Amino acid sequence: DGGITQSPKYLFRKEGQNVTLSCEQNLNHDAMYWYRQDPGQGLRLIYYSQIVNDFQKGDIAEGYSVSREKKESFPLTVTSAQKNPTAFYLCASSSGPSYGYTFGSGTRLTVV
Amino acid sequence: KNEVEQSPQNLTAQEGEFITINCSYSVGISALHWLQQHPGGGIVSLFMLSSGKKKHGRLIATINIQEKHSSLHITASHPRDSAVYICAVIGGGGADGLTFGKGTHLIIQP
Repeated sequence: DGGITQSPKYLFRKEGQNVTLSCEQNLNHDAMYWYRQDPGQGLRLIYYSQIVNDFQKGDIAEGYSVSREKKESFPLTVTSAQKNPTAFYLCASSSGPSYGYTFGSGTRLTVV
Repeated sequence: KNEVEQSPQNLTAQEGEFITINCSYSVGISALHWLQQHPGGGIVSLFMLSSGKKKHGRLIATINIQEKHSSLHITASHPRDSAVYICAVIGGGGADGLTFGKGTHLIIQP
């Protein structure tokens, strides 16, 4: 079955370390997205990519980086420059808004 | 950008009760997702709908595009339905075309 795989489900890192969150899809979707969720807030857009080798900053891109070298993969790196990295991170993909979105199950990152 | 409001923010009910969660938005959309997030867990997509009504088991989702409103209903609620329910609208602004509500935290007590 096609879908999005985010791994791992839970991730712990020490402060000051970079960490990369994985997002893989086998849906042949062109567009992929990363969101962040904080308690009491709606999900906010970090980065998105509408085509391979191209990506755009979302509303809260500072302290994050991404790459899109393959259509199936859109990894997110949380750098040491991100002031409050502890959060829930969600990946999504789409073949176009009128077709809807497919969501990963998310990764909960805790930085200690 | 689209403004998405969910109500109520928190809801506690007894097992067996009929549950309604509402989602209103400010700008016209093409479709809407309902998502479920269990405590400490991941996101599950329940429905995507652009008109009318969809049903899956004890869950029913309705949308009225003209009134800019959608509802999620749970019949014969069960403690395992306890979760955060999130509405996400497609269209009306934003780089990704998607705007999320803040979620409704539902607790079903046995």
